[in-house]
Amino acid sequence: QVQLQESGPGLVKPSETLSLTCNVSGGSISNYYWSWIRQPPGKGLEWIGYVYYSGSTRYNPSLTSRVTISVDMSKNQFSLRVSSVIAADTAVYYCARGMGAPDFWGQGTLVTVSS
Amino acid sequence: EIVLTQSPATLSLSPGERATLSCRASQSVSSYLAWYQQKLGQAPRLLIYDAFNRATGVPARFSGSGSGTDFTLTISSLEPEDFAVYYCQQRSNWPPTFGQGTKVEIK
Repeated sequence: QVQLQESGPGLVKPSETLSLTCNVSGGSISNYYWSWIRQPPGKGLEWIGYVYYSGSTRYNPSLTSRVTISVDMSKNQFSLRVSSVIAADTAVYYCARGMGAPDFWGQGTLVTVSS
Repeated sequence: EIVLTQSPATLSLSPGERATLSCRASQSVSSYLAWYQQKLGQAPRLLIYDAFNRATGVPARFSGSGSGTDFTLTISSLEPEDFAVYYCQQRSNWPPTFGQGTKVEIK
């Protein structure tokens, strides 16, 4: 059974960079797409983007200027960076397997943007 | 960006009753529509993909139907563990988008 686990700081200051890593266990990162999706507290879900195991990426146009998603096959993990964060970036960030209808999700990690 | 509108916002039902949830797209998404269940404090769980295909391990009481712009998720007989928020999501156009959710609560 594939398991995903997000990790990273829970508090980020405005204008700084949010960095999260998703560790994949129970299966290889190869041959799959891997996504980041976020959910502001009490609100709906927003797709941030995805990375293929080969390294190719695609981002939500609303975030593309600030987002980078990368993959590290040697560590079986992938990562998210969001630059110049603002309060509206406060959300639970989920990593997930797939780019259409993700079937495995991490438990999510809350990132708060505040000084 | 495709907008998905879910109705109703809240559905109040008793265990054993049938639940019918709707999702309408602002333009055709063909059959590229998924449904998720989310419980408080948990990640979404994939229930249905490509309009009517049940994901692995999903009970048969969950079924999906529809194509184009109008879709339905049906729970034939509500179990206590089914009370949750349900989201639809399209993958026809980039970026994938989600509906705002339907909360199924105990009456």
